[in-house]
Order: sequence, then C-alpha cells, then structure tokens
Amino acid sequence: DTGVSQDPRHKITKRGQNVTFRCDPISEHNRLYWYRQTLGQGPEFLTYFQNEAQLEKSRLLSDRFSAERPKGSFSTLEIQRTEQGDSAMYLCASSLQRSGLGEQFFGPGTRLTVL
Amino acid sequence: AQSVTQLGSHVSVSEGALVLLRCNYSSSVPPYLFWYVQYPNQGLQLLLKYTSAATLVKGINGFEAEFKKSETSFHLTKPSAHMSDAAEYFCAVSDSGTSYGKLTFGQGTILTVHP
Repeated sequence: DTGVSQDPRHKITKRGQNVTFRCDPISEHNRLYWYRQTLGQGPEFLTYFQNEAQLEKSRLLSDRFSAERPKGSFSTLEIQRTEQGDSAMYLCASSLQRSGLGEQFFGPGTRLTVL
Repeated sequence: AQSVTQLGSHVSVSEGALVLLRCNYSSSVPPYLFWYVQYPNQGLQLLLKYTSAATLVKGINGFEAEFKKSETSFHLTKPSAHMSDAAEYFCAVSDSGTSYGKLTFGQGTILTVHP
C-alpha cells in the first residue's frame, strides 16, 4: 500500500495561467475526493468521484475548476485562468466504499501559489 | 447540513499534561465523526473515528475521544502530552451517516507542547 500520491507538491503560477494537478489514489479505492485548504482553515470539500463518475461538486466551486477521473483510476483537477484567491493547498483523498469501513486517506497535497 | 465547531484555535500544554481538544457537531443524520492530525506541509492522518459502535473511541498515539450525543460533542483527549504531539488537529463529520461520505471539517486547533 503506497498511499495516496499527488503531483506536483508545489506549483507557482502567474495569474491567468491554467494549472493541472494529479492524484493517484490507493489502488482499489473506488471513491476519490478533492478538498481545498486555505491558511488557517480546515479542508473544504470540492468534488468527489465514485469510480469514473463525478457524483457531487461543491456549489462554491467556480466554473474555472474541472475535475476528471478517467477509467476510475487517477484523477486530475484543472484550474483555468487562475486568480490569486485560488492560492491554497489542494488535497486529494480516497476511500473504499464498503459497509462499516471506508474512511478517507489523504495525500500530501499540492500547494498552489498564484502570483 | 452538517457543521463542526472546534473551540479554541490554539491550545498550549506542558509536556506530560492532559491534552483536551474540543469539538461540537451538528448533523441531520446519525453522525460519523473523525479526528485528523496534520503536521506541517503534510496531508491529514486519521487519528480515530466514531461510527456508531462504542462511544469511547481509542485511536493512534494514545489519543481517545468520547461521543456524547446529548452534548453533540466529540472531544479529543490524551492523558500525557508528548513533544511529538505538536501539530494541527481537525475534527470532521461525514455528511451521509457513513464513513465514506464527504467530510465537513472544523477550522482546526493548533496544539503546542512546551517542555
């Protein structure tokens, strides 16, 4: 079990640029979640997938954000036309949907800085 | 909708002293509750979880928490603090009454341990 991995760990970009992050969940975990954490706050839910289907997306999420999980394995989160307010830690988590189990395991996060 | 309130954004204790981190929740369904720990520049690690079994839950690193429905609380305790416990702690509630639903986090409590 190699855990949840995220790439890159750090990303610095200029305002207006597009960025894409990748998350590799624990193998066989069928649920995958994205959260965003700003300084001094707890993580905030963005979206989740069950296998390849995106089942829920936060109403707080701008249309500039899009996420995919092709083939139900890794996932990507893209932010278009980045803004300074997008600066945050983006966390990915995965879980196995099974009765009585299924807690979420988190990756180390991708820290985005928008200049 | 679910919500979590962590009382005290900063808690400071001496090494060897009792650790008490407070968490109150609001949930429209029987809750699943979690405590996570986050070390600097790392993702979240699960300390313990309540999933409607025993109300006193034991976790890793000597931590435990007690679910009190009448008080809507899930406070985290450790009898004797260690320097390595210094970190940020997050209480979270699952939205679906399962352990794999999306999580709503509190704002976090930073624990400082003095020698």
